[in-house]
Amino acid sequence: AQSVTQPDIHITVSEGASLELRCNYSYGATPYLFWYVQSPGQGLQLLLKYFSGDTLVQGIKGFEAEFKRSQSSFNLRKPSVHWSDAAEYFCAVGNSGYSTLTFGKGTMLLVSP
Amino acid sequence: NAGVTQTPKFQVLKTGQSMTLQCAQDMNHNSMYWYRQDPGMGLRLIYYSASEGTTDKGEVPNGYNVSRLNKREFSLRLESAAPSQTSVYFCASSAVLGAPSTDTQYFGPGTRLTVL
Repeated sequence: AQSVTQPDIHITVSEGASLELRCNYSYGATPYLFWYVQSPGQGLQLLLKYFSGDTLVQGIKGFEAEFKRSQSSFNLRKPSVHWSDAAEYFCAVGNSGYSTLTFGKGTMLLVSP
Repeated sequence: NAGVTQTPKFQVLKTGQSMTLQCAQDMNHNSMYWYRQDPGMGLRLIYYSASEGTTDKGEVPNGYNVSRLNKREFSLRLESAAPSQTSVYFCASSAVLGAPSTDTQYFGPGTRLTVL
């Protein structure tokens, strides 16, 4: 069965500093990987996804993620964090064959002035 | 184009009461999903519907029933609510189940349910 681990429950980053959120997955074949963001009181919004091709994926709001098969990771990065990036971030994994997505437990990002 | 809409936004029930959470999408999507979100647990899939006329259990289906009323609407029913069902419920939809190039799930704003 597929699974997702987000090792960090909370992360605090200073505004303007760089950000990396970790995601590790468990799946036998090539996974399909997603990052979603949830602002307080809102639903989830897709930031980016990987399903084939270039392992460095660009998303919305200046985010990017890199798929590393050897490390079973799909970490999310942003070079300079803005206060509006404070939110909860979820990594998710899917596979082919008409499957559903499995979500990680989320990482809460706090941005300090 | 409203995307995915959910009603109600908030609900308080007493143990044993029943209720139906409504979800509708206007994106002509085939697949729809119901999740619950609990602190520290992330999102867990309750039920999903790959296409109109089909429904399947997800990770945590016990205590819930669903109906895919038509292509647009997917409802979640709690027949006899329990305090353990206190949660935030999200509905989502996607064009096609399991087609990653197009299988972006779009989420509704959620229903916050408290069972006393």
